[in-house]
Amino acid sequence: DGGITQSPKYLFRKEGQNVTLSCEQNLNHDAMYWYRQDPGQGLRLIYYSQIVNDFQKGDIAEGYSVSREKKESFPLTVTSAQKNPTAFYLCASSNPPGGYTFGSGTRLTVV
Amino acid sequence: AQSVTQPDIHITVSEGASLELRCNYSYGATPYLFWYVQSPGQGLQLLLKYFSGDTLVQGIKGFEAEFKRSQSSFNLRKPSVHWSDAAEYFCAVGPRFGNEKLTFGTGTRLTIIP
Repeated sequence: DGGITQSPKYLFRKEGQNVTLSCEQNLNHDAMYWYRQDPGQGLRLIYYSQIVNDFQKGDIAEGYSVSREKKESFPLTVTSAQKNPTAFYLCASSNPPGGYTFGSGTRLTVV
Repeated sequence: AQSVTQPDIHITVSEGASLELRCNYSYGATPYLFWYVQSPGQGLQLLLKYFSGDTLVQGIKGFEAEFKRSQSSFNLRKPSVHWSDAAEYFCAVGPRFGNEKLTFGTGTRLTIIP
């Protein structure tokens, strides 16, 4: 079945560490997105990519980086510059005008 | 700029009762409209979507939504809720052309009481 796979489901980061969250899709979707979700704050867009080798900053890109070397993959790196990284991270993909398909999320915790 | 308002942060209903979740949007033209549901610790699942045609759309799990252009609303309804409907619900809008980046509401948390 086609879908989006996010890994790992749980991730722990030490202070000062960079960590990378994986997002892979086999839906042949062109566009991919990363959202951060905090309690009571809905979804906030971090980065998005409409085609391979191109991506744009969303509303809260500071402290994050992405790459889009393959259509299927859109990894997110949470850098040490992100001062409050503990959150639930959601990846999504889309081909207009179908709406988004979401992954099951990665919960990142700073320890 | 486009925006989506879900005025109810939290709604509690009894099992078997009817449900209506409100969604109002501000957009330059008639957008595409979506409702998503999220169970705790999970991703979002598409419940239904409106592109054109009949303004009453049916979705999965017995949900429906009605697009009212004059009120810029896209409210979600269910005639009789089940305990398994307890979740967070998000309304979203997107453009009909070009970049499909969606704008999401802040969500409505639904609690079901026996």
